[in-house]
Amino acid sequence: AQKITQTQPGMFVQEKEAVTLDCTYDTSDQSYGLFWYKQPSSGEMIFLIYQGSYDEQNATEGRYSLNFQKARKSANLVISASQLGDSAMYFCAMRERGFQKLVFGTGTRLLVSP
Amino acid sequence: DAGVIQSPRHEVTEMGQEVTLRCKPISGHDYLFWYRQTMMRGLELLIYFNNNVPIDDSGMPEDRFSAKMPNASFSTLKIQPSEPRDSAVYFCASSLLAGGPREQYFGPGTRLTVT
Repeated sequence: AQKITQTQPGMFVQEKEAVTLDCTYDTSDQSYGLFWYKQPSSGEMIFLIYQGSYDEQNATEGRYSLNFQKARKSANLVISASQLGDSAMYFCAMRERGFQKLVFGTGTRLLVSP
Repeated sequence: DAGVIQSPRHEVTEMGQEVTLRCKPISGHDYLFWYRQTMMRGLELLIYFNNNVPIDDSGMPEDRFSAKMPNASFSTLKIQPSEPRDSAVYFCASSLLAGGPREQYFGPGTRLTVT
């Protein structure tokens, strides 16, 4: 079974607008962590934001925020005020309790247009 | 501080040849991960180490693949013999166990092409 599901293969947004990238996950653990990574065309994987399953507040990092809805098992990434440099692949990932490894989704390609 | 360092950045080799990919994790990190990224399979974990000891190698595709971590600052991923289906980008990542989200920091990757 897919642990991480990203249903949007591609998303388009205009510069300065906000965009939401969807991520749903599947786990029976109560303790887990959710991550978002950005992969620009240059290829490197860049850590963006983290949400712990017990965190009561949604995580925020600058223009990035994570809309965490535990009951729905969703961890959507919200990028506010999109910039051209945000054009990239975005991956959602999960780490379950007791494990160090991350399981990644298939990614969403975001294109920001002027 | 330097990030995760991988070498070479690009490798082109012929089928049947031995390939060795190298990784230097971030100093002080106690976990090291090897991933492979392809269009068909996405990003998949091959193996990871804790304090130089392999913990989970269930993602290693077959016996042609082997990984070592002789010390805290160096790891290798070897493919012998290489096959065209091994063509992919191989990432090394490291993380710190203690405290915080323990996010993984990725190296720039090695793009391997096997002809």
